Amino acid sequence: SQKIEQNSEALNIQEGKTATLTCNYTNYSPAYLQWYRQDPGRGPVFLLLIRENEKEKRKERLKVTFDTTLKQSLFHITASQPADSATYLCALEANDYKLSFGAGTTVTVRA
Amino acid sequence: DGGITQSPKYLFRKEGQNVTLSCEQNLNHDAMYWYRQDPGQGLRLIYYSQIVNDFQKGDIAEGYSVSREKKESFPLTVTSAQKNPTAFYLCASTPRGDSSYEQYFGPGTRLTVT
Repeated sequence: SQKIEQNSEALNIQEGKTATLTCNYTNYSPAYLQWYRQDPGRGPVFLLLIRENEKEKRKERLKVTFDTTLKQSLFHITASQPADSATYLCALEANDYKLSFGAGTTVTVRA
Repeated sequence: DGGITQSPKYLFRKEGQNVTLSCEQNLNHDAMYWYRQDPGQGLRLIYYSQIVNDFQKGDIAEGYSVSREKKESFPLTVTSAQKNPTAFYLCASTPRGDSSYEQYFGPGTRLTVT
């Protein structure tokens, strides 16, 4: 069956450090993968999209990699700040019209 | 400001009652989606609509119904047939019915059924 797994535990890091989140998938062949940020009680907000032919993508302090051989995406937040504390969701193309979402990883950045 | 609105933010109902959740967008997007979010689980797709007057079942459509009579509106009815309706419901839209687009989400409606 199809499965998307994100870090099973919450991530607690010190301000200024790099947070690394993983998104592993099985039985998908996505042409692209998206990352979203969700704050408590709010809707997700789009952050980045990476295509299968792109190894890496950056946006300000965010970096995403996509390894279709390992079936994995890594999401990095560099120079983390307390304002980065949130839940981060990965989403894969499931078909032409549908995204499938992981359960998310909650990141807490300590000042 | 363009965006998606969902109302109400919190909704309480008694078991056995149908309830309709509102979703409106002024982004001029063709496609709209309804998701359900439960603690520890990913967003699960309930229904989606790629164009006015057309919609398709998602992964967990049982106990739900939708309509798409206007481009900007995609209401979701949670019927009494839905066995576990208490959840956080999210509406989203994309310019076209293509999953390569980023999804724009509304603020969500938290439904509690007792």
